[in-house]
Amino acid sequence: AQSVTQLGSHVSVSEGALVLLRCNYSSSVPPYLFWYVQYPNQGLQLLLKYTSAATLVKGINGFEAEFKKSETSFHLTKPSAHMSDAAEYFCAVSDPNTGNQFYFGTGTSLTVIP
Amino acid sequence: DTGVSQDPRHKITKRGQNVTFRCDPISEHNRLYWYRQTLGQGPEFLTYFQNEAQLEKSRLLSDRFSAERPKGSFSTLEIQRTEQGDSAMYLCASSQQNTEAFFGQGTRLTVV
Repeated sequence: AQSVTQLGSHVSVSEGALVLLRCNYSSSVPPYLFWYVQYPNQGLQLLLKYTSAATLVKGINGFEAEFKKSETSFHLTKPSAHMSDAAEYFCAVSDPNTGNQFYFGTGTSLTVIP
Repeated sequence: DTGVSQDPRHKITKRGQNVTFRCDPISEHNRLYWYRQTLGQGPEFLTYFQNEAQLEKSRLLSDRFSAERPKGSFSTLEIQRTEQGDSAMYLCASSQQNTEAFFGQGTRLTVV
């Protein structure tokens, strides 16, 4: 079974500061991991994905995440926050052998302070 | 390719009425998923199709909910005898094999 835990339901950063959103996963098999972003009343947009290739994954809008097996983590970072980054962020995990379901965390709401 | 399309975007219905939502996935994707999302929560899995076969259903999918994907292309999700607790955003996603899922804009259901 797979699950993810997102620590911190709300994160606030100043514009230009480092963004760090935490995600820890639980999986009985080597997982695929994803970060999605959601703006109000919109669907989810894929930011980046880990599918067992490079452990440091770069995504859109300057975001990146590092897969750390020893820590069962897949934290999302961005060196410098922009006002447009304010949104809800979801971490998700799937079983690469079946791909029959994506398990989502409860989300982290990012606020960017001007 | 215009991505995953969902219709309608918004639906307001009276308690007890039936509603049906449609999802058109990305054309070459053989997998289609339905999720439900309530305010402040992550998406919760409802059901999954591979081509026209419904391979998995969540316990969240009560007998009032039914989903179909008759020709392995578009899918419909029907809720019968709607209840206020059904108010949520219903998200459809598609994928190709075990790759990432691409989501539609969602259908927001309000039951009054």
